[in-house]
Amino acid sequence: EPEVTQTPSHQVTQMGQEVILRCVPISNHLYFYWYRQILGQKVEFLVSFYNNEISEKSEIFDDQFSVERPDGSNFTLKIRSTKLEDSAMYFCASSEGGGTSGYEQYFGPGTRLTVT
Amino acid sequence: KNEVEQSPQNLTAQEGEFITINCSYSVGISALHWLQQHPGGGIVSLFMLSSGKKKHGRLIATINIQEKHSSLHITASHPRDSAVYICAALIPFGNDMRFGAGTRLTVKP
Repeated sequence: EPEVTQTPSHQVTQMGQEVILRCVPISNHLYFYWYRQILGQKVEFLVSFYNNEISEKSEIFDDQFSVERPDGSNFTLKIRSTKLEDSAMYFCASSEGGGTSGYEQYFGPGTRLTVT
Repeated sequence: KNEVEQSPQNLTAQEGEFITINCSYSVGISALHWLQQHPGGGIVSLFMLSSGKKKHGRLIATINIQEKHSSLHITASHPRDSAVYICAALIPFGNDMRFGAGTRLTVKP
């Protein structure tokens, strides 16, 4: 069964460093998403991406975040200058169509980011 | 006030028991997701529904749009059902999802 994959599973970085989290969505999916979950807290929506551009983003997704689909398979989240509060589990998800069309999202296993 | 509220926060059951987890939301939605988060952190989508009822194996999800309420039921619960169950509301005209805080279910043998 097709699945969303994410790499790495765990990333440790120093404050101020740039990190890139990678995701490979399901191949025929067109919508891509990033979410984060700070330890012990709710999952939060960060951004959705369609047709090579951001379709929606939350207040959390500020200028230090960016997303890219550098090739036909990868979908990346970049954090330019990491802060301690960026430590969280980051989930990628993908769907065949947009939420308003009733398409279910499929989640990756997550990348645990630890900023020291 | 949270836009998506779940109850209970924690639930312990004996194997075989019938489980109900509730989700209430205060925002307009286009659909509601029920998700399962395993102890390792991975998230699996169980259901997406916008009306009525869906069933998959021992899992049943219902939604009442007028009352802004959804329930997830597990029949004949098993220790492997132990996980955090999360409801998430999909906001209309977009892809933004608002998540509940989750219900931690422990099923004892």
